Amino acid sequence: QKEVEQNSGPLSVPEGAIASLNCTYSDRVSQSFFWYRQYSGKSPELIMSIYSNGDKEDGRFTAQLNKASQYVSLLIRDSQPSDSATYLCAVNNAGGTSYGKLTFGQGTILTVHP
Amino acid sequence: DGGITQSPKYLFRKEGQNVTLSCEQNLNHDAMYWYRQDPGQGLRLIYYSQIVNDFQKGDIAEGYSVSREKKESFPLTVTSAQKNPTAFYLCASSVTPRETQYFGPGTRLLVL
Repeated sequence: QKEVEQNSGPLSVPEGAIASLNCTYSDRVSQSFFWYRQYSGKSPELIMSIYSNGDKEDGRFTAQLNKASQYVSLLIRDSQPSDSATYLCAVNNAGGTSYGKLTFGQGTILTVHP
Repeated sequence: DGGITQSPKYLFRKEGQNVTLSCEQNLNHDAMYWYRQDPGQGLRLIYYSQIVNDFQKGDIAEGYSVSREKKESFPLTVTSAQKNPTAFYLCASSVTPRETQYFGPGTRLLVL
């Protein structure tokens, strides 16, 4: 089982729709969770960070965390063509044996078509 | 402007050659990291450093070496022992190991 697994893509949604990106992780001691966006040929940029159970909203983005189910998701409302990118889920095991280590999922490619 | 810089943007390596990738940050972050990304894959940790003069191996350290003599700088050397070095190399930093990691623009390494 992969440590961090994202829903397989690619994901294609029409402009204006809600895009839903999912991520599961295997290490129960994980404490912080991140979503990064990566455009083709560029480096990852932070979209959201979340540390406690529940929802966290920032503009059109909402991150949801459920530690009991070991699940984190990212919702993008009113999707725009500029949201087309690869989305990386990352989990930090700070406090476990790998202090400060970020483990990344394989990424989900999102395409928003006009 | 505060940020992370990486150089060069593209680097070509000949067989048997060691090459060094530069990473500099002026964010006053304690922790720095090197990742490797292969096409269509996520990032894999090569080395990380939580403080000056200290660094730890990540998941794929074989064939790589680092140093952390200054807080601002964390260079990565790809040695001739790394048989498949072609990849996109990303440097990151964070205030502390628990905090958000921010990435530099990356260096693309190609083998001639």
